[in-house]
Amino acid sequence: DAGVIQSPRHEVTEMGQEVTLRCKPISGHDYLFWYRQTMMRGLELLIYFNNNVPIDDSGMPEDRFSAKMPNASFSTLKIQPSEPRDSAVYFCASSEQGLNTEAFFGQGTRLTVV
Amino acid sequence: GENVEQHPSTLSVQEGDSAVIKCTYSDSASNYFPWYKQELGKGPQLIIDIRSNVGEKKDQRIAVTLNKTAKHFSLHITETQPEDSAVYFCAASSTAGGSYIPTFGRGTSLIVHP
Repeated sequence: DAGVIQSPRHEVTEMGQEVTLRCKPISGHDYLFWYRQTMMRGLELLIYFNNNVPIDDSGMPEDRFSAKMPNASFSTLKIQPSEPRDSAVYFCASSEQGLNTEAFFGQGTRLTVV
Repeated sequence: GENVEQHPSTLSVQEGDSAVIKCTYSDSASNYFPWYKQELGKGPQLIIDIRSNVGEKKDQRIAVTLNKTAKHFSLHITETQPEDSAVYFCAASSTAGGSYIPTFGRGTSLIVHP
């Protein structure tokens, strides 16, 4: 398996624009996680899915953030409208058995909102 | 919720020396403690983990110890090599409404000088 695949690797957008980040988890993994990494706050869990169903979105910072998982092989994280403070590296991760087991991370999307 | 403190934030050693990174956690219900290594431009990758029913675990040059009474756990790397240079994150998983939400430390930047 190629691992968790995220796209794009880098995204630069203007404030107010919609941003969509994409993730393909490892085949057979039932759990998918979205993390945000910043210097100020470190690595934060935003939301996670189990069998395509959102289980906990308490880490989503604001209503401007939304995530979907229409099928087992694809998930999106959308920010609308984007703001400069959303600039961060966003990671998608997947695991076979949930939060208390190894999570496999993608390479991340570096988002810059200007 | 869980609070994880990680020290030091930066660690510089000579090749061949040992490196120790320490983490403390606050939630006595936490029972899973993974360590991740993040190389530049990549996502975190699990290097070792420990569960609360054991006090120590080793994997070649890497070992992790856990003291549940004191609520701290440590990563030990022996015979460090330049390729060990990376950012290391500890994490603790605790129950929150029935689900285990991992909380990450702020990371330790390890620099191994040849």
